[in-house]
Amino acid sequence: GAVVSQHPSRVICKSGTSVKIECRSLDFQATTMFWYRQFPKKSLMLMATSNEGSKATYEQGVEKDKFLINHASLTLSTLTVTSAHPEDSSFYICSARASGRSPYEQYFGPGTRLTVT
Amino acid sequence: QQQVKQSPQSLIVQKGGISIINCAYENTAFDYFPWYQQFPGKGPALLIAIRPDVSEKKEGRFTISFNKSAKQFSLHIMDSQPGDSATYFCAATNSGYALNFGKGTSLLVTP
Repeated sequence: GAVVSQHPSRVICKSGTSVKIECRSLDFQATTMFWYRQFPKKSLMLMATSNEGSKATYEQGVEKDKFLINHASLTLSTLTVTSAHPEDSSFYICSARASGRSPYEQYFGPGTRLTVT
Repeated sequence: QQQVKQSPQSLIVQKGGISIINCAYENTAFDYFPWYQQFPGKGPALLIAIRPDVSEKKEGRFTISFNKSAKQFSLHIMDSQPGDSATYFCAATNSGYALNFGKGTSLLVTP
């Protein structure tokens, strides 16, 4: 168990448009979800932490108005990149912490490759 | 700042050899140290993890060695195989909060 999916796996959008990325926990309830960004051959950088039913907590330097995070249910969190620009092109990965399980274990999604043209 | 420092950045090992990746941390409040394996275009997958109350943990060909006094931990991959070629990340967390990742090590196991 503990499967996390992301949709879409790849998306290409034009500069100035918005794109939504979904992160779903398929076989468990996720009280907390994390969103990471990863540049090519680089480490994962935490963008924000979201708890179901409450506002996301953003890391320093991450624009909350640009990267809108919604954690509306225990199995779904969404990241919306608003007014995307080429510098937003990156690999976005979510992870989820399962309620009732060790708080230390995070289950990662397969990632979403965003390309802004 | 990078809370977890990882080395080497890249590593080439012959099939059957031992791959060793090292990490160091400063924050003594960290209480969980996982290692993740990531293949190109995929999300990271948990490989093995250790708590600071033990000095070593082994799962199959993968072993974590942990030195609490030196604030260092390492991943050893025994009998390395070409299928182990991937990027490996060490990480650390405090009380299950967000993970602090190292910069990653790109491992290539040659046939």
